[in-house]
Amino acid sequence: GENVEQHPSTLSVQEGDSAVIKCTYSDSASNYFPWYKQELGKGPQLIIDIRSNVGEKKDQRIAVTLNKTAKHFSLHITETQPEDSAVYFCAALKAAGNKLTFGGGTRVLVKP
Amino acid sequence: NAGVTQTPKFRILKIGQSMTLQCTQDMNHNYMYWYRQDPGMGLKLIYYSVGAGITDKGEVPNGYNVSRSTTEDFPLRLELAAPSQTSVYFCASSSPKNIQYFGAGTRLSVL
Repeated sequence: GENVEQHPSTLSVQEGDSAVIKCTYSDSASNYFPWYKQELGKGPQLIIDIRSNVGEKKDQRIAVTLNKTAKHFSLHITETQPEDSAVYFCAALKAAGNKLTFGGGTRVLVKP
Repeated sequence: NAGVTQTPKFRILKIGQSMTLQCTQDMNHNYMYWYRQDPGMGLKLIYYSVGAGITDKGEVPNGYNVSRSTTEDFPLRLELAAPSQTSVYFCASSSPKNIQYFGAGTRLSVL
């Protein structure tokens, strides 16, 4: 089955700096890669996603890049703000299925 | 729009007790899921359903049961609670574009 590795497990950045989280996946049949943000005491919420026919996608301060050949994808947060502090999860989905495989999560702390 | 609603938010069980975690969604999604999240860990899939009357096991189904009698509801049953089932449980439903919407979670302690 699919295996998704996520790094780092914790990330501390100064407000205004950039944060980068990286994920690798094992199944080349995966074609959908969402990123979820989980704030304390809440359920995960989708913040951005990318499909395998696209190499990069941006939404204001966040962007995701995908390298299908290397089977890895990354989340980039620019100009970090304290409200970006949360746990972020990457995930992968195979074309024929509807079960997401999640990475282990990255706890991001933005220091003011 | 309520989205995915889970009840209760918190529960403490004694070892051996049973309970049902409720989940309902109002988005008419066919796909629904149950995950557990242990402290500091990622999400593990317990069971999922592709539509009313159809359920299947996920990664960690032992000790749990589910049913899906309607599109809206997907309850998770714990029959004989064990300390290893102490966790936060999340229900989710999925849109046709594979976007999963999560509930706020049920925090369960088994003592």
